[in-house]
Amino acid sequence: EVQLVQSGAEVKKPGESLKISCKGSGYSFTNYWIGWVRQMPGKGLEWMGIIYPGDSDTRYSPSFQGQVTISADKSISTAYLQWSSLKASDTAMYFCARDWHMDVWGTGTTVTVSS
Amino acid sequence: EIVLTQSPGTLSLSPGERATLSCRASQSVSSSYLAWYQQKPGQAPRLLIYGASSRATGIPDRFSGSGSGTDFTLTISRLEPEDFAVYYCQQYGNSPVTFGQGTKLEIK
Repeated sequence: EVQLVQSGAEVKKPGESLKISCKGSGYSFTNYWIGWVRQMPGKGLEWMGIIYPGDSDTRYSPSFQGQVTISADKSISTAYLQWSSLKASDTAMYFCARDWHMDVWGTGTTVTVSS
Repeated sequence: EIVLTQSPGTLSLSPGERATLSCRASQSVSSSYLAWYQQKPGQAPRLLIYGASSRATGIPDRFSGSGSGTDFTLTISRLEPEDFAVYYCQQYGNSPVTFGQGTKLEIK
């Protein structure tokens, strides 16, 4: 079964760093792009960016460029989304999904940033 | 950036009725790289349609997509109780990828 398993919920303070993960299984991880999507509480879907684990080619939405870093470790079939300094406005659910037309989704990671 | 505008914002229908959801793009979507997703509360979105009209694996044939250029439509031929949810369109042919704001399909 093709699956994306995301890391658990996080509660952080403003200014802290964070790295969340998305582990793929049941398919060739290096042959498919992995994208990240933000969903703020009660709001719609926002595309953040995407990475090709085979060669680490990464594309960002201008809205998120410089705000987050997307990376991948193909040796353990895992993609990452990280922040160097969180803000309260980063509070949201974050989903990873496979490919440009997102055919397989992770269950999401809730990130809460509060002092 | 391509802006996708979905209409209506909310659609109130009864089980058994036909639903027609619209997605209009601010400029032409390359190669009809347009997808539709369904999201229920507390769940991840689910891919329904890609390439404007191709059903994803396991999606019932009551769901169909059509359109090209700037105008796209998702049609649910006969609503089942489990179809009431929020629906999003997405274009993935132009960078950056963008989503519409969503249409909420609610039970009348």
